[in-house]
Amino acid sequence: QKEVEQNSGPLSVPEGAIASLNCTYSDRVSQSFFWYRQYSGKSPELIMSIYSNGDKEDGRFTAQLNKASQYVSLLIRDSQPSDSATYLCAVKETSGSRLTFGEGTQLTVNP
Amino acid sequence: EAGVAQSPRYKIIEKRQSVAFWCNPISGHATLYWYQQILGQGPKLLIQFQNNGVVDDSQLPKDRFSAERLKGVDSTLKIQPAKLEDSAVYLCASSPPAGLAINEQFFGPGTRLTVL
Repeated sequence: QKEVEQNSGPLSVPEGAIASLNCTYSDRVSQSFFWYRQYSGKSPELIMSIYSNGDKEDGRFTAQLNKASQYVSLLIRDSQPSDSATYLCAVKETSGSRLTFGEGTQLTVNP
Repeated sequence: EAGVAQSPRYKIIEKRQSVAFWCNPISGHATLYWYQQILGQGPKLLIQFQNNGVVDDSQLPKDRFSAERLKGVDSTLKIQPAKLEDSAVYLCASSPPAGLAINEQFFGPGTRLTVL
């Protein structure tokens, strides 16, 4: 079983819709969870981090964490064509430990 | 604030040749990471430095890969000899000292390596 699994893509949504990206992780002691966005040919950039169960909102982005289910998701409201990218879920066990990435979900937002 | 710098941006070599990549982290960032990202996959950590000491190199293929960060600032990653399966983007990242802000890692532009 992979340590961090993301829903298989590619995911295609129309402009203005909600895009839902999902991630599950295998290690119950994981403490920190991150969503990175990676445009084609570019390096990853952090868009959201979440540490506690529940929802965390930042503009059009909402991260949701459920540690009991070992599940973290990212919702993008009012999706824009500029949101088209690969979204990487990353998990860290403890402060200072390695960041483990999923394989990413490619999102396309159609005008 | 200048970002993470990497060079070269692209490198093409033949198998069994050697190659080296350079990274200069953001000023003041004590932690430096080297990742390998194969096409279609997420980044995989190769080695993590805290200042000039190695924190985690458990996923570094030590028979052919080596890395150093002698003065606790810039770092070099070397592959010797290269194999076809080493074709990937090599990403360098750095993060601020623990306790400051969030545990964000800032990535450099990467070096795309093609092994023929």
